[in-house]
Amino acid sequence: ELKVEQNPLFLSMQEGKNYTIYCNYSTTSDRLYWYRQDPGKSLESLFVLLSNGAVKQEGRLMASLDTKARLSTLHITAAVHDLSATYFCAVYQSQGNLIFGKGTKLSVKP
Amino acid sequence: NAGVTQTPKFRVLKTGQSMTLLCAQDMNHEYMYWYRQDPGMGLRLIHYSVGEGTTAKGEVPDGYNVSRLKKQNFLLGLESAAPSQTSVYFCASSRPTFPFPYEQYFGPGTRLTVT
Repeated sequence: ELKVEQNPLFLSMQEGKNYTIYCNYSTTSDRLYWYRQDPGKSLESLFVLLSNGAVKQEGRLMASLDTKARLSTLHITAAVHDLSATYFCAVYQSQGNLIFGKGTKLSVKP
Repeated sequence: NAGVTQTPKFRVLKTGQSMTLLCAQDMNHEYMYWYRQDPGMGLRLIHYSVGEGTTAKGEVPDGYNVSRLKKQNFLLGLESAAPSQTSVYFCASSRPTFPFPYEQYFGPGTRLTVT
């Protein structure tokens, strides 16, 4: 059974600082997805990582995938308040299904 | 394109009542999904469909039924609502093709309260 663990679950950052969110998963998969959810809103796709060593960057966010370690990271550079949200990773299982982590609630404070 | 839409956005039910949530997508996606989101639990898959006329159970299917009579619509039914079904329900859709296979697109959600 595929399990997906994110850590930390809560993260309070100061503006301008760097930090990393980790996503570990328990069985082999080479497809991993990152989503963002603002309070009271739906989920928005951030990154799709489809192979070992894949790296994607958008603004202050960079995601990477190491399929051998079963680990993906979401790195935040020089955080700003607008990045405050909950971030989910999701791992492809089978039959089009993704297994989601519990999410990391990020709060960026001035 | 509207993407994925859900009807209704909010609903309050009494225990034992029934209702149907409608999900529609205009992206011609083969796959559709129903999730529930509860605090601290992430997203849990209720049912999914890999194509018109087919449905399958997800992680938490008990108390729910689904139908996919048309490719663009996926209906979630609660036959006899219980307070444990109070949640936010999200519908999503995806396709298996590159460049982003199985990337899921989410609807705005339905907030359901069962009293």
